[in-house]
Amino acid sequence: DTEVTQTPKHLVMGMTNKKSLKCEQHMGHRAMYWYKQKAKKPPELMFVYSYEKLSINESVPSRFSPECPNSSLLNLHLHALQPEDSALYLCASSQDVDSGDTQYFGPGTRLTVL
Amino acid sequence: DQQVKQNSPSLSVQEGRISILNCDYTNSMFDYFLWYKKYPAEGPTFLISISSIKDKNEDGRFTVFLNKSAKHLSLHIVPSQPGDSAVYFCAASDQAGTALIFGKGTTLSVSS
Repeated sequence: DTEVTQTPKHLVMGMTNKKSLKCEQHMGHRAMYWYKQKAKKPPELMFVYSYEKLSINESVPSRFSPECPNSSLLNLHLHALQPEDSALYLCASSQDVDSGDTQYFGPGTRLTVL
Repeated sequence: DQQVKQNSPSLSVQEGRISILNCDYTNSMFDYFLWYKKYPAEGPTFLISISSIKDKNEDGRFTVFLNKSAKHLSLHIVPSQPGDSAVYFCAASDQAGTALIFGKGTTLSVSS
């Protein structure tokens, strides 16, 4: 299994809603990542988890709250988002947080904030 | 300051010909480079990688060349197929890096 899965595929939410994005991998990878990608732009790193601990937060607003319940799962909790937060949210995983480790991406969740 | 640059936003190639996508980087600490392919509404798919100890890596129709002195890498696709039409991102990391730094992407269109 060399797949990273993400649910839901599409999400539409209002600015007062609370929702969560989910990511799962069963490759035994110990590093997991959240990226945000706007149309026609490269993915921008948001968070990095290494061995289930948050190791990098790229100055992401607190309305995005990551969680790593176990080594296979990564969640992104959303609350009080703004319309400009609408984007494709990508999860990725790699063997370790290390140079030379290929990151495998999930298909993404297309988020629309109304 | 953009550390990974893909200066051509788009490239059009005929089926069967060679596609050459270019990428330049500024950080001499980068030692691992990857190419990702992305279809609309999908996540990036890993294509091929190269470490700084090599100057060429080949996988089927895809070959990546690395010129460290010029801080330049390129992806060659031979022969190009219509299914190769996608956005191609170059990405790099360094020894201390924990994630990838991406270029802005090049949209490849292969016509039959």
